[in-house]
Amino acid sequence: DAGITQSPRHKVTETGTPVTLRCHQTENHRYMYWYRQDPGHGLRLIHYSYGVKDTDKGEVSDGYSVSRSKTEDFLLTLESATSSQTSVYFCAISPGLSIETQYFGPGTRLLVL
Amino acid sequence: GENVEQHPSTLSVQEGDSAVIKCTYSDSASNYFPWYKQELGKGPQLIIDIRSNVGEKKDQRIAVTLNKTAKHFSLHITETQPEDSAVYFCAASKMAGNQFYFGTGTSLTVIP
Repeated sequence: DAGITQSPRHKVTETGTPVTLRCHQTENHRYMYWYRQDPGHGLRLIHYSYGVKDTDKGEVSDGYSVSRSKTEDFLLTLESATSSQTSVYFCAISPGLSIETQYFGPGTRLLVL
Repeated sequence: GENVEQHPSTLSVQEGDSAVIKCTYSDSASNYFPWYKQELGKGPQLIIDIRSNVGEKKDQRIAVTLNKTAKHFSLHITETQPEDSAVYFCAASKMAGNQFYFGTGTSLTVIP
């Protein structure tokens, strides 16, 4: 998985609790992304980062926040989890510049009860 | 924004036959089109990609074609094998670093 790890790999939580997912890369790539995958929707972008402390929203960013204090780590936080946020979350990285390719991590399966 | 449509949603073929998956996109500014294969419980893995200045690209049994005028691109897998069974996603992007817009996926089953 191109030097990308995600933690935790599985999580069960209750509605209203905060949740943080971590993406760690060893490739020193500039761009990092958080996607969610749901049946019938493919993968949809939540937030992305184009450098340390530089982040922007994707198409489904409501209810999520992100932080990137180091090149290698990109955190996704659900401030108050809801059942609609039950999903599989994938982190991706990309070198950027003239290289468009994105490489995906193994995913985190989140269940919000 | 970009809208990527993918068909069919499911596809079953006999081992050795060919499989074709088609995608259309809406934004003529999109210029990079990757295809990903996702096996159960794993993250998507890039299998082939094409840029808008190329009409066709081939890598062993896998090929991708792009028609910029019609705004559609297709994945062709020849001599299918059981290990080709997976979910395949197409995507479109405008530039390096920009987000990918994904199709909804095609579940391919290769019957031995």
